[in-house]
Amino acid sequence: DVKVTQSSRYLVKRTGEKVFLECVQDMDHENMFWYRQDPGLGLRLIYFSYDVKMKEKGDIPEGYSVSREKKERFSLILESASTNQTSMYLCASSLFGTSPSNEQFFGPGTRLTVL
Amino acid sequence: GNSVTQMEGPVTLSEEAFLTINCTYTATGYPSLFWYVQYPGEGLQLLLKATKADDKGSNKGFEATYRKETTSFHLEKGSVQVSDSAVYFCALSDSGAGSYQLTFGKGTKLSVIP
Repeated sequence: DVKVTQSSRYLVKRTGEKVFLECVQDMDHENMFWYRQDPGLGLRLIYFSYDVKMKEKGDIPEGYSVSREKKERFSLILESASTNQTSMYLCASSLFGTSPSNEQFFGPGTRLTVL
Repeated sequence: GNSVTQMEGPVTLSEEAFLTINCTYTATGYPSLFWYVQYPGEGLQLLLKATKADDKGSNKGFEATYRKETTSFHLEKGSVQVSDSAVYFCALSDSGAGSYQLTFGKGTKLSVIP
Protein backbone atom coordinates (compact mmCIF):
# COMPACT_ATOMS: atom_id res chain seq x y z
CA ASP A 1 0.00 0.00 0.00
CA VAL A 2 1.08 3.55 -0.73
CA LYS A 3 1.91 5.40 2.40
CA VAL A 4 2.16 9.15 2.71
CA THR A 5 3.17 10.39 6.13
CA GLN A 6 3.27 13.89 7.55
CA SER A 7 5.55 14.89 10.38
CA SER A 8 2.87 16.19 12.75
CA ARG A 9 -0.88 15.77 13.14
CA TYR A 10 -1.25 18.94 15.20
CA LEU A 11 1.02 21.98 15.40
CA VAL A 12 0.71 25.26 17.27
CA LYS A 13 2.99 28.16 16.34
CA ARG A 14 3.21 31.87 17.02
CA THR A 15 2.90 34.68 14.52
CA GLY A 16 6.20 35.38 12.81
CA GLU A 17 7.71 31.95 13.42
CA LYS A 18 9.24 29.94 10.59
CA VAL A 19 7.30 26.70 10.20
CA PHE A 20 8.33 23.49 8.44
CA LEU A 21 5.81 20.84 7.43
CA GLU A 22 7.35 17.60 6.26
CA CYS A 23 5.86 14.95 3.98
CA VAL A 24 7.35 11.58 3.07
CA GLN A 25 6.03 8.98 0.62
CA ASP A 26 7.27 5.44 0.19
CA MET A 27 6.07 4.50 -3.30
CA ASP A 28 8.74 6.17 -5.39
CA HIS A 29 6.23 8.65 -6.78
CA GLU A 30 7.56 11.52 -8.85
CA ASN A 31 4.77 14.00 -8.18
CA MET A 32 4.12 15.53 -4.79
CA PHE A 33 1.60 18.17 -3.77
CA TRP A 34 0.74 20.46 -0.89
CA TYR A 35 -2.86 21.57 -0.32
CA ARG A 36 -4.62 23.52 2.35
CA GLN A 37 -8.14 22.64 3.36
CA ASP A 38 -10.52 25.21 4.81
CA PRO A 39 -14.23 24.87 5.61
CA GLY A 40 -16.39 26.00 2.72
CA LEU A 41 -13.40 26.34 0.40
CA GLY A 42 -12.46 22.70 -0.16
CA LEU A 43 -8.87 21.90 -1.08
CA ARG A 44 -6.63 24.48 -2.71
CA LEU A 45 -3.28 23.68 -4.22
CA ILE A 46 -0.32 25.57 -2.77
CA TYR A 47 2.65 24.05 -4.61
CA PHE A 48 3.55 20.87 -6.41
CA SER A 49 6.71 19.17 -7.55
CA TYR A 50 7.23 16.71 -10.39
CA ASP A 51 10.88 15.93 -9.71
CA VAL A 52 13.68 16.51 -7.25
CA LYS A 53 14.49 20.22 -6.97
CA MET A 54 11.58 21.09 -9.28
CA LYS A 55 8.56 23.02 -8.09
CA GLU A 56 5.54 24.73 -9.55
CA LYS A 57 3.19 27.25 -7.98
CA GLY A 58 -0.36 26.22 -7.42
CA ASP A 59 -3.37 28.43 -6.88
CA ILE A 60 -2.35 30.04 -3.56
CA PRO A 61 1.48 30.10 -3.22
CA GLU A 62 1.73 33.46 -1.46
CA GLY A 63 3.35 33.19 1.95
CA TYR A 64 4.68 29.68 1.31
CA SER A 65 7.74 28.05 -0.16
CA VAL A 66 8.71 24.42 -0.73
CA SER A 67 11.75 22.24 -0.87
CA ARG A 68 12.33 18.89 -2.55
CA GLU A 69 15.89 17.68 -2.06
CA LYS A 70 15.05 13.98 -2.16
CA LYS A 71 12.45 12.18 -4.22
CA GLU A 72 10.53 10.85 -1.24
CA ARG A 73 10.38 14.07 0.77
CA PHE A 74 8.53 17.33 0.10
CA SER A 75 8.61 20.15 2.63
CA LEU A 76 6.29 23.11 2.96
CA ILE A 77 7.77 26.21 4.58
CA LEU A 78 5.95 29.14 6.08
CA GLU A 79 8.65 31.81 6.22
CA SER A 80 6.79 33.98 8.72
CA ALA A 81 3.60 32.39 9.95
CA SER A 82 0.46 34.50 10.14
CA THR A 83 -2.93 33.84 11.70
CA ASN A 84 -4.58 33.51 8.28
CA GLN A 85 -2.40 30.46 7.67
CA THR A 86 -4.23 28.56 10.38
CA SER A 87 -5.57 25.60 8.41
CA MET A 88 -5.39 21.89 7.67
CA TYR A 89 -2.47 21.07 5.40
CA LEU A 90 -2.58 17.95 3.24
CA CYS A 91 0.26 16.37 1.33
CA ALA A 92 -0.29 14.04 -1.63
CA SER A 93 1.75 12.08 -4.15
CA SER A 94 1.16 10.43 -7.52
CA LEU A 95 2.99 8.75 -10.36
CA PHE A 96 4.73 10.91 -12.93
CA GLY A 97 3.06 11.73 -16.18
CA THR A 98 0.20 13.73 -17.52
CA SER A 99 -2.27 10.88 -17.55
CA PRO A 100 -5.37 12.40 -16.02
CA SER A 101 -6.29 9.07 -14.47
CA ASN A 102 -3.32 9.11 -12.10
CA GLU A 103 -4.63 8.82 -8.58
CA GLN A 104 -3.28 11.06 -5.85
CA PHE A 105 -2.56 9.46 -2.47
CA PHE A 106 -2.99 11.66 0.57
CA GLY A 107 -1.36 11.89 3.96
CA PRO A 108 -3.41 12.25 7.17
CA GLY A 109 -2.99 16.02 7.32
CA THR A 110 -1.41 18.51 9.72
CA ARG A 111 -3.72 20.86 11.55
CA LEU A 112 -1.73 24.06 12.05
CA THR A 113 -2.83 26.77 14.43
CA VAL A 114 -1.02 30.11 14.36
CA LEU A 115 -1.56 32.24 17.44
CA GLY B 1 -10.57 27.26 -16.47
CA ASN B 2 -11.58 24.06 -14.77
CA SER B 3 -14.13 23.96 -11.99
CA VAL B 4 -16.16 21.48 -9.98
CA THR B 5 -19.48 22.26 -8.36
CA GLN B 6 -21.00 19.88 -5.87
CA MET B 7 -24.10 20.13 -3.77
CA GLU B 8 -23.66 21.94 -0.52
CA GLY B 9 -24.16 20.14 2.72
CA PRO B 10 -24.43 19.12 5.29
CA VAL B 11 -26.57 16.16 4.33
CA THR B 12 -28.20 14.13 7.10
CA LEU B 13 -29.76 10.76 6.30
CA SER B 14 -31.15 7.87 8.27
CA GLU B 15 -29.43 4.52 8.01
CA GLU B 16 -30.48 2.55 4.89
CA ALA B 17 -31.63 5.69 3.05
CA PHE B 18 -30.68 6.36 -0.57
CA LEU B 19 -27.85 8.83 -1.14
CA THR B 20 -27.21 11.16 -4.06
CA ILE B 21 -24.54 13.85 -4.03
CA ASN B 22 -24.60 15.94 -7.19
CA CYS B 23 -21.43 16.98 -8.97
CA THR B 24 -21.04 18.94 -12.20
CA TYR B 25 -17.86 20.13 -13.85
CA THR B 26 -16.35 22.36 -16.50
CA ALA B 27 -13.10 21.40 -18.16
CA THR B 28 -11.01 22.46 -21.14
CA GLY B 29 -9.97 18.99 -22.28
CA TYR B 30 -10.89 15.39 -21.57
CA PRO B 31 -11.00 15.03 -17.82
CA SER B 32 -10.89 12.06 -15.55
CA LEU B 33 -13.34 12.31 -12.67
CA PHE B 34 -12.92 11.23 -9.08
CA TRP B 35 -14.75 10.96 -5.81
CA TYR B 36 -12.59 11.17 -2.70
CA VAL B 37 -13.79 10.55 0.85
CA GLN B 38 -12.42 12.00 4.08
CA TYR B 39 -13.38 10.22 7.29
CA PRO B 40 -13.17 12.22 10.53
CA GLY B 41 -9.59 13.00 11.52
CA GLU B 42 -8.09 11.45 8.39
CA GLY B 43 -6.72 12.48 5.00
CA LEU B 44 -8.52 11.95 1.72
CA GLN B 45 -8.73 8.56 0.10
CA LEU B 46 -9.93 7.67 -3.37
CA LEU B 47 -13.43 6.23 -3.39
CA LEU B 48 -13.91 5.72 -7.13
CA LYS B 49 -12.97 7.16 -10.50
CA ALA B 50 -13.97 7.19 -14.17
CA THR B 51 -11.67 8.10 -17.01
CA LYS B 52 -13.95 8.47 -20.02
CA ALA B 53 -17.54 9.20 -20.96
CA ASP B 54 -20.14 6.60 -19.90
CA ASP B 55 -17.67 4.87 -17.57
CA LYS B 56 -19.10 3.87 -14.23
CA GLY B 57 -16.89 3.90 -11.18
CA SER B 58 -17.92 1.80 -8.20
CA ASN B 59 -16.58 0.88 -4.77
CA LYS B 60 -18.03 -0.07 -1.35
CA GLY B 61 -21.58 0.17 -2.73
CA PHE B 62 -21.04 3.66 -4.11
CA GLU B 63 -21.42 4.36 -7.83
CA ALA B 64 -20.97 7.31 -10.17
CA THR B 65 -21.36 7.51 -13.96
CA TYR B 66 -19.36 9.91 -16.14
CA ARG B 67 -21.99 11.81 -18.14
CA LYS B 68 -20.34 13.96 -20.77
CA GLU B 69 -23.61 15.30 -22.19
CA THR B 70 -24.61 16.76 -18.82
CA THR B 71 -21.02 17.25 -17.54
CA SER B 72 -21.95 15.41 -14.37
CA PHE B 73 -20.58 12.72 -12.07
CA HIS B 74 -23.19 12.24 -9.36
CA LEU B 75 -22.38 9.94 -6.44
CA GLU B 76 -25.03 7.40 -5.38
CA LYS B 77 -25.46 4.67 -2.83
CA GLY B 78 -28.57 2.60 -2.38
CA SER B 79 -28.42 2.10 1.38
CA VAL B 80 -26.12 4.21 3.56
CA GLN B 81 -24.63 3.10 6.86
CA VAL B 82 -23.48 5.05 9.88
CA SER B 83 -19.89 4.24 8.84
CA ASP B 84 -20.41 6.25 5.62
CA SER B 85 -20.47 9.48 7.62
CA ALA B 86 -17.67 11.54 6.11
CA VAL B 87 -16.91 14.45 3.79
CA TYR B 88 -17.10 13.61 0.07
CA PHE B 89 -15.14 15.53 -2.56
CA CYS B 90 -15.72 15.46 -6.30
CA ALA B 91 -12.59 16.21 -8.35
CA LEU B 92 -11.29 16.27 -11.89
CA SER B 93 -7.95 15.94 -13.60
CA ASP B 94 -7.79 17.44 -17.07
CA SER B 95 -5.43 16.42 -19.83
CA GLY B 96 -6.39 19.48 -21.81
CA ALA B 97 -4.88 21.71 -19.17
CA GLY B 98 -1.52 20.01 -19.78
CA SER B 99 -1.08 19.16 -16.15
CA TYR B 100 -1.91 16.51 -13.62
CA GLN B 101 -3.40 18.71 -10.98
CA LEU B 102 -6.68 17.88 -9.34
CA THR B 103 -9.45 20.46 -9.17
CA PHE B 104 -11.73 19.80 -6.19
CA GLY B 105 -15.25 20.72 -5.30
CA LYS B 106 -15.85 22.24 -1.90
CA GLY B 107 -16.93 18.98 -0.29
CA THR B 108 -20.22 17.65 1.04
CA LYS B 109 -20.47 16.51 4.62
CA LEU B 110 -22.66 13.46 5.10
CA SER B 111 -24.00 12.40 8.48
CA VAL B 112 -25.87 9.11 8.77
CA ILE B 113 -27.94 8.59 11.89
CA PRO B 114 -29.06 5.20 13.23
